[in-house]
Amino acid sequence: GAVVSQHPSWVICKSGTSVKIECRSLDFQATTMFWYRQFPKQSLMLMATSNEGSKATYEQGVEKDKFLINHASLTLSTLTVTSAHPEDSSFYICSARDRTSGLYEQYFGPGTRLTVT
Amino acid sequence: AQKVTQAQTEISVVEKEDVTLDCVYETRDTTYYLFWYKQPPSGELVFLIRRNSFDEQNEISGRYSWNFQKSTSSFNFTITASQVVDSAVYFCALSDLTTSGTYKYIFGTGTRLKVLA
Repeated sequence: GAVVSQHPSWVICKSGTSVKIECRSLDFQATTMFWYRQFPKQSLMLMATSNEGSKATYEQGVEKDKFLINHASLTLSTLTVTSAHPEDSSFYICSARDRTSGLYEQYFGPGTRLTVT
Repeated sequence: AQKVTQAQTEISVVEKEDVTLDCVYETRDTTYYLFWYKQPPSGELVFLIRRNSFDEQNEISGRYSWNFQKSTSSFNFTITASQVVDSAVYFCALSDLTTSGTYKYIFGTGTRLKVLA
């Protein structure tokens, strides 16, 4: 149980285009989803927290107009990187909290590797 | 401020050696959770353990063991008789209760473990 999927697993896009990454909880309802970013050989940095049906809360320094997060249902959250640039190339990981589990519990997706050329 | 420090950036050991990965944390919370994750080259995070602040018992799971010492704010991880498959980046993480009542994770910088055959 508690499986989180991400699609796509990798994507290459041209500079200036937008790309959408999906995060789905497959066998549970996720009231809260988290988006992380990981640069090569670095740690995971939380970008934003999204609660189903409400606006995402962004961490300091994260541009909300560039990284659009939508959490429209209890099983799906999307991250759209708008007008992507090479510096946005990174590994994006989502996690989800099961509404029936403890507040501290998060289940991680397998990640999406974004390369902007 | 909440913080997780993994001072060891990279460790190399020869197969069958024991290795300990250090994790030191700072928190203002009285109730908190600590985690260890493994990130193999594929990038997907693998959950290893969760420990709450009220449970200071050490834990052993096969070749893995964890030593939680509240007095020194440390949560160290030992791999006994290391194997090549243990080669990965290991992250220690701390829960951080947000104002909205959700726990977010603060990750350490990770320790890259290389086990040589």
